[in-house]
Order: sequence, then structure tokens, then C-alpha cells
Amino acid sequence: DIQMTQSPSTLSASLGDRVTITCRASQDIRSWLAWYQQKPGKAPKLLIYKASSLESGVPSRFSGSGSGTEFTLTISSLQPDDFATYYCQQYSSFPYTFGQGARLDIK
Amino acid sequence: QVPLQESGPGLVKPSETLSLTCTVFLGTISDYYWSWIRQSPGKGLEWVGCIYYSGSTNYNPSLKSRVSMSVDTSKNQFSLNLTSVTAADTAVYYCARALPGEVSVFDFWGQGTLVTVSS
Repeated sequence: DIQMTQSPSTLSASLGDRVTITCRASQDIRSWLAWYQQKPGKAPKLLIYKASSLESGVPSRFSGSGSGTEFTLTISSLQPDDFATYYCQQYSSFPYTFGQGARLDIK
Repeated sequence: QVPLQESGPGLVKPSETLSLTCTVFLGTISDYYWSWIRQSPGKGLEWVGCIYYSGSTNYNPSLKSRVSMSVDTSKNQFSLNLTSVTAADTAVYYCARALPGEVSVFDFWGQGTLVTVSS
């Protein structure tokens, strides 16, 4: 299985901050990577697919980059609604696997 | 209305079979891949398997001997069966739809249903 490792696991930031979360794959997944946002008690919400394509309806302050084994999710200016847990997911090969999550807290 | 809705028992005894159904309210179930994904505190998010509307399936090898999925296009539903469950199968189970043209990027999710394995 392809292992997905996110860093940091937890981060604290303030409104208006620029935040970056990293996701590393244990082998080359080209650009077959998605990012999700999850809030407590809710299902994950798709933000980014194919490493950098923004899902319809997702604010443009979210962006994704990377290819191969290293990827980043960037939030350009944190808004109150952005405090949540973020997951990456590879869909290069079966079984599809997720990172362990990165929790974004208010500083 | 939620786009997908999971239903099934919230409590299953060890060694028995977990059975869940997902009803799709997004329109036709045709032409899409549909997945089950579970989330437990110990293992995070885990993809369980997917089914195409035609009935073809792919399962996570870690569960492959115990999992099966089926689809009923006339009812706009798909289902999950997981046999011989243990406490390790306790999780919130989500059903989800893949993006058009994709197999495993999930744009619509159910609200999730907690299944506890306990005697």
C-alpha cells in the first residue's frame, strides 16, 4: 500500500495567516492526489483533486501543488470557517489511502 | 436533503455480518463509481471498496475476504456487507460518490453512520 504522511499533524494559526500543509507519498503518485476538509461530526469535503484542481464552489484561497511524492495545500488567508482537519488522499493505485490528517486550530 | 444517506444497524455483534445500504438522492446512480469509506479513531480514514453502477467492484485487500458490495439501480441504492466483524470494525461508515470520470475522488458524501461492534 502507498503510505501518505502529512505534516504537521497539528498547527495553530491566526485569522489572515497563510498556512501550508505538506503531504508525502511513499512512492510516486504523479498528480493523483486529493485534499479534503473535515469538521467535527461531518463528512469530509473535497477541496482539491489532481493535486491542483480546485473543486467547484471551493474558495480560491485554497490551492494545491506538487507532483510525484511531495504535495502541499495552501490557504492564502485564513478565515473563521477554515479551522478544521485536512486530509490528503492518493488515488494512483489500489488501495486508495489517506493521510493521518492535519488539525488546524485557532492560535 | 442529503445527497446520500446511509442506513443499517448501529450495533453488530462480534463474528456477525455488518450490512449497510446507501440511498442516492443525487439523481441517477448510473455512470458513476460509488464507494464505502470508514473512519475510526485508531485508523483514520480507510477506503473499504467501490462499485460501478454496472456491478463491477474493487475492494481494499485488507478486507477483501470479508467484504462484498452490490448495487440496485432500480432503487438508486448500493450496499455493503462485511462478514466476521470484530471490535476493529467499529467505525463511522460513509458512502460517497466519485467525481464524474473518476473512480476514487469523492465529491459527495453521506452524513455517516456509526457502527459499533460489541456483544
